Amino acid sequence: DQQVKQNSPSLSVQEGRISILNCDYTNSMFDYFLWYKKYPAEGPTFLISISSIKDKNEDGRFTVFLNKSAKHLSLHIVPSQPGDSAVYFCAASAHGNQFYFGTGTSLTVIP
Amino acid sequence: DVKVTQSSRYLVKRTGEKVFLECVQDMDHENMFWYRQDPGLGLRLIYFSYDVKMKEKGDIPEGYSVSREKKERFSLILESASTNQTSMYLCASSLLLLGGRTSNTEAFFGQGTRLTVV
Repeated sequence: DQQVKQNSPSLSVQEGRISILNCDYTNSMFDYFLWYKKYPAEGPTFLISISSIKDKNEDGRFTVFLNKSAKHLSLHIVPSQPGDSAVYFCAASAHGNQFYFGTGTSLTVIP
Repeated sequence: DVKVTQSSRYLVKRTGEKVFLECVQDMDHENMFWYRQDPGLGLRLIYFSYDVKMKEKGDIPEGYSVSREKKERFSLILESASTNQTSMYLCASSLLLLGGRTSNTEAFFGQGTRLTVV
């Protein structure tokens, strides 16, 4: 059973606007959450992470929000740029050593 | 610069062939992973290893085996390739966290191997 879910397979956003990608999880033991970005024919690259002791982490245009009570996290990209067009994977870990990935959301930023 | 290197970017193999996918990392990581990525299914874990000669089954180990003879190298083996194993294969590595420590590490991925079985 999928422990990490991304219910939106795709998202289109105008350049300069905000992109919001969502992720839900079921395992309350997860204590670390990550977002990866993947271009076609390349491996995923790490984007940003958040520990379960925080509810927000920011890195430049990227912010991740965590709502533990709802078992939900989101990635905000603002302003969105055409180069952000990629597939974004949410991942979660419980005490490290294994990572559970969502099914991915394909983001298209329209110039 | 950290590196996970997969031996091939693209492979075409025939049904029934034995296929080896090689992965090498230079970060001295204990953990290594093999995933496959398929449309609509995300990244699914095939096998992982937390030490030399150790292996653990992931979510979809059927039809695959692995080998970890050296810390830096983790091989995925398709014993008898089938068309439903056509996929993007991704190798990753990460630090080993001991004693229930809170996670604070990420997995580093290779560039992927696009395998087509015909």
